[in-house]
Amino acid sequence: LAKTTQPISMDSYEGQEVNITCSHNNIATNDYITWYQQFPSQGPRFIIQGYKTKVTNEVASLFIPADRKSSTLSLPRVSLSDTAVYYCLVGVPGGYNKLIFGAGTRLAVHP
Amino acid sequence: DAGVTQSPTHLIKTRGQQVTLRCSPKSGHDTVSWYQQALGQGPQFIFQYYEEEERQRGNFPDRFSGHQFPNYSSELNVNALLLGDSALYLCASSRVRTTSYGYTFGSGTRLTVV
Repeated sequence: LAKTTQPISMDSYEGQEVNITCSHNNIATNDYITWYQQFPSQGPRFIIQGYKTKVTNEVASLFIPADRKSSTLSLPRVSLSDTAVYYCLVGVPGGYNKLIFGAGTRLAVHP
Repeated sequence: DAGVTQSPTHLIKTRGQQVTLRCSPKSGHDTVSWYQQALGQGPQFIFQYYEEEERQRGNFPDRFSGHQFPNYSSELNVNALLLGDSALYLCASSRVRTTSYGYTFGSGTRLTVV
């Protein structure tokens, strides 16, 4: 399973765009990149998933370069409620496959 | 549509005791996984159940066991509790035949061992 590396923490201010980069040098051909968000005392929540190039949904965008050795989660115009831990996961999609979490990135959004 | 439901939300147990945690998966989901999350760390995979059988297991001792019922709900049992078992226990459900990595997590059970 590919290991991921993310910054331990980040700070931002309301209204700014936040980009969290994840490194996954050993990503396999069949692996997808998935991001989860976790608030205190809650379970992780699926944000976005992609394989290559760019994926966008109502919450975030995911940028994946051609070599797929890294990816960037982009949160547009963050608010205080975006303060959470963000996890980058790499693996093959499917209900059989376990999720391997790292320590995640602790994002703090300030007024 | 109800998501993943876990009970109880909080629990305090004494070292050496046994505990049972419960999980009801999201409607339409047939696989249940359990994770342990210590304070300040990411969730760690314990095991996964599908068709009432344990399909995968993480690096956890045999003190951790589980069960899945015909209605897809699941239980996590921990015997001979240690202080180090204090953590947030998360249940996640999914469909086996899915192309998504989108597991649905419950809010967890906070277990404190004293």
